[in-house]
Amino acid sequence: SQQGEEDPQALSIQEGENATMNCSYKTSINNLQWYRQNSGRGLVHLILIRSNEREKHSGRLRVTLDTSKKSSSLLITASRAADTASYFCATVHTGTASKLTFGTGTRLQVTL
Amino acid sequence: GAGVSQSPSNKVTEKGKDVELRCDPISGHTALYWYRQSLGQGLEFLIYFQGNSAPDKSGLPSDRFSAERTGGSVSTLTIQRTQQEDSAVYLCASSFGQSLLYEQYFGPGTRLTVT
Repeated sequence: SQQGEEDPQALSIQEGENATMNCSYKTSINNLQWYRQNSGRGLVHLILIRSNEREKHSGRLRVTLDTSKKSSSLLITASRAADTASYFCATVHTGTASKLTFGTGTRLQVTL
Repeated sequence: GAGVSQSPSNKVTEKGKDVELRCDPISGHTALYWYRQSLGQGLEFLIYFQGNSAPDKSGLPSDRFSAERTGGSVSTLTIQRTQQEDSAVYLCASSFGQSLLYEQYFGPGTRLTVT
């Protein structure tokens, strides 16, 4: 299976703290994307990083990609209670242009 | 503007029955995807439609699953002779183009429960 794995599976932090989630994958990729899912339903696209990029920012989000280690991290700075959700990485693997392969997700809980 | 819509939002069916799940993609999006998410799990790719090209069915778990997309817009996922292991949330997504550099927009999903 090409499915990625995320670490940690669950993370609980206080509002204002930073949250870091990691994603590992198995085969070479074209790009890697992060999604957020609230209440077990619809996913929202957060950020996309291409295989030739190493770091990308979007607001309070910072994504890094290390293709030599086949891993990525998502950092959420100054977390808010509204950031409570599940976060998934998804990869587009080389030669599979039509598919996103999702990781197992990290459940983030931000408390007041 | 309107996002991806799916119906029904919830479906409870008896084992052995057939079910149809519907997806209305965002207008103008040529690519449409179906995924399945079992409880507490990530998403599992099922099928992909792009324009008039033959769909990529490589993720369908068995021949009881089929999908079609009429007129390049609405899609229906059909599960025949449902089994309890088919219970999951079925998510549909659409994107503007074929390249997966375009982000996918997800619908709210259909929660299927097979009793």
